[in-house]
Amino acid sequence: ETGVTQTPRHLVMGMTNKKSLKCEQHLGHNAMYWYKQSAKKPLELMFVYNFKEQTENNSVPSRFSPECPNSSHLFLHLHTLQPEDSALYLCASSQDPLASSYNEQFFGPGTRLTVL
Amino acid sequence: KNQVEQSPQSLIILEGKNCTLQCNYTVSPFSNLRWYKQDTGRGPVSLTIMTFSENTKSNGRYTATLDADTKQSSLHITASQLSDSASYICVVSAIDNDMRFGAGTRLTVKP
Repeated sequence: ETGVTQTPRHLVMGMTNKKSLKCEQHLGHNAMYWYKQSAKKPLELMFVYNFKEQTENNSVPSRFSPECPNSSHLFLHLHTLQPEDSALYLCASSQDPLASSYNEQFFGPGTRLTVL
Repeated sequence: KNQVEQSPQSLIILEGKNCTLQCNYTVSPFSNLRWYKQDTGRGPVSLTIMTFSENTKSNGRYTATLDADTKQSSLHITASQLSDSASYICVVSAIDNDMRFGAGTRLTVKP
């Protein structure tokens, strides 16, 4: 185990549903990240939070809404998604956000999302 | 075009054999390069990290090389095991911490 947990592990939802993905890290890290992983494509960074503040939003559609209530928890709220949003959503955390590329990111197991 | 290109896209080898995965990048100015291993149903786990001044680093049966002049890296796996079956992802970071991910190489080790 990496110390980063994600729930649920699998999620099937219709385009009109509202659901949330949850991530929790037990490593005492200060930065948390959401990534989208589609088949045969590179990981896409979606959001970055440093000390609970959002520092990066990579032009993600507004149907994805992140929330970071504290340094240990990260949520991704989903509403009116499209079938092309089906993917593996990975959460990660790292120690020092200012040196994030040197500090290893620890990934959760991901949530496999299917939008019907 | 992605700034990090990995080859091959997929690879099948027999248990006990060696293999080499390639990563070419155009990320600049270069800071560091990581190789991650991602088992099916799990998140990526870091294997090695190399900075500009390092040209080789080992982690057990995994050996990564870096040629910063040609902007190429390789991951060599020695005496492969069934548990090596996974996707291997190359991640290159620029000095401003901008990270670029490769699409990965899917390795299958067969008995």
